[in-house]
Amino acid sequence: GQNIDQPTEMTATEGAIVQINCTYQTSGFNGLFWYQQHAGEAPTFLSYNVLDGLEEKGRFSSFLSRSKGYSYLLLKELQMKDSASYLCAVMDSNYQLIWGAGTKLIIKP
Amino acid sequence: NAGVTQTPKFRVLKTGQSMTLLCAQDMNHEYMYWYRQDPGMGLRLIHYSVGEGTTAKGEVPDGYNVSRLKKQNFLLGLESAAPSQTSVYFCASSQLAGGPVNEQFFGPGTRLTVL
Repeated sequence: GQNIDQPTEMTATEGAIVQINCTYQTSGFNGLFWYQQHAGEAPTFLSYNVLDGLEEKGRFSSFLSRSKGYSYLLLKELQMKDSASYLCAVMDSNYQLIWGAGTKLIIKP
Repeated sequence: NAGVTQTPKFRVLKTGQSMTLLCAQDMNHEYMYWYRQDPGMGLRLIHYSVGEGTTAKGEVPDGYNVSRLKKQNFLLGLESAAPSQTSVYFCASSQLAGGPVNEQFFGPGTRLTVL
């Protein structure tokens, strides 16, 4: 079966750095997406990786290792507004997104 | 641009009642999707459409029907609601299926409770 695993919850301090991991087993691979979802709101796109390596976008970076079925999202200089759930999703061979359950990130002052 | 809009935002149904959720997008996207999101689970695809007049089943299609008569609209119907369909429903759209510029854009969601 297809499976996306990520931690349920993480806590970090304002101004610090946090890494959210995602491991996956899917039928085919056509890219990995990270989305941010604030409580009660819709998911919004953060990043996309299809090749191995690091993609940097401001305070957020995303890394992919296809051979290990592994990705992480790195958030630097954490701000209170970064408190949200972070969703990892893999596009499978049918170009459908398979979603993880999300990691709830709690930022403390 | 409004992006992706959904109506209604909230709804309470009794078991056995029917309803239709409306999704509209003004980005001229080809692909549209209906997901449900339940606590502790990832988004699950109910049905999707790859263009006007087409629909296809996703991971959890039972109990739902869809129609895409116009490119900008994607309707999700519940013919006989059940408590197991209590969930938050999200509509999404994308220009194509995959790739770096083809991320899915989501509507604000519909919170449905079936008593």
